[in-house]
Amino acid sequence: GESVGLHLPTLSVQEGDNSIINCAYSNSASDYFIWYKQESGKGPQFIIDIRSNMDKRQGQRVTVLLNKTVKHLSLQIAATQPGDSAVYFCAESPTGGFKTIFGAGTRLFVKA
Amino acid sequence: EAQVTQNPRYLITVTGKKLTVTCSQNMNHEYMSWYRQDPGLGLRQIYYSMNVEVTDKGDVPEGYKVSRKEKRNFPLILESPSPNQTSLYFCASSLSGTDLGAFFGQGTRLTVV
Repeated sequence: GESVGLHLPTLSVQEGDNSIINCAYSNSASDYFIWYKQESGKGPQFIIDIRSNMDKRQGQRVTVLLNKTVKHLSLQIAATQPGDSAVYFCAESPTGGFKTIFGAGTRLFVKA
Repeated sequence: EAQVTQNPRYLITVTGKKLTVTCSQNMNHEYMSWYRQDPGLGLRQIYYSMNVEVTDKGDVPEGYKVSRKEKRNFPLILESPSPNQTSLYFCASSLSGTDLGAFFGQGTRLTVV
């Protein structure tokens, strides 16, 4: 079946550096992508989303890039802070559907 | 405060004993969904509902039932729980199915022995 995957299961960065979390998706029909952050003991929290008619979208300290040619999604976090330590999930939604497919997650460690 | 509330937060039960996990949202959202989260597998969608009385299967619906009799509530029912349903469960809601930036509940950790 189609799935959303991740290149790296863990990522360790120094406080203040930029973080880049990558995600590969396999369903070329997907038209909506979301990044979630999950802190220990909590439910996932929406960070940012992007539709397939866009290549880039910026939020507060976060940027999502979408490369449809290679079916790749990335989340960039600027000036990473200790509070950014969490598991990050990418998710996709195929065209016309309500189903959401999540990747397995990347754990981000921020070193002080 | 906008929120999705699940109950209970923790539950230990025995195989075969029917249980219900409740989910309620106060945002008047049309779309609600249930996920289970298992180590290394991420979140997998169990069932979703586009509106009252409209539900459909997600990727792992076997062994689960849902109902959507009113907009705010979306209970998850395990008629005969089995140990392979031991997991962390999340309920989520969003304004519409195409606006999938969802709000998630705090999770229900279920153990079936």
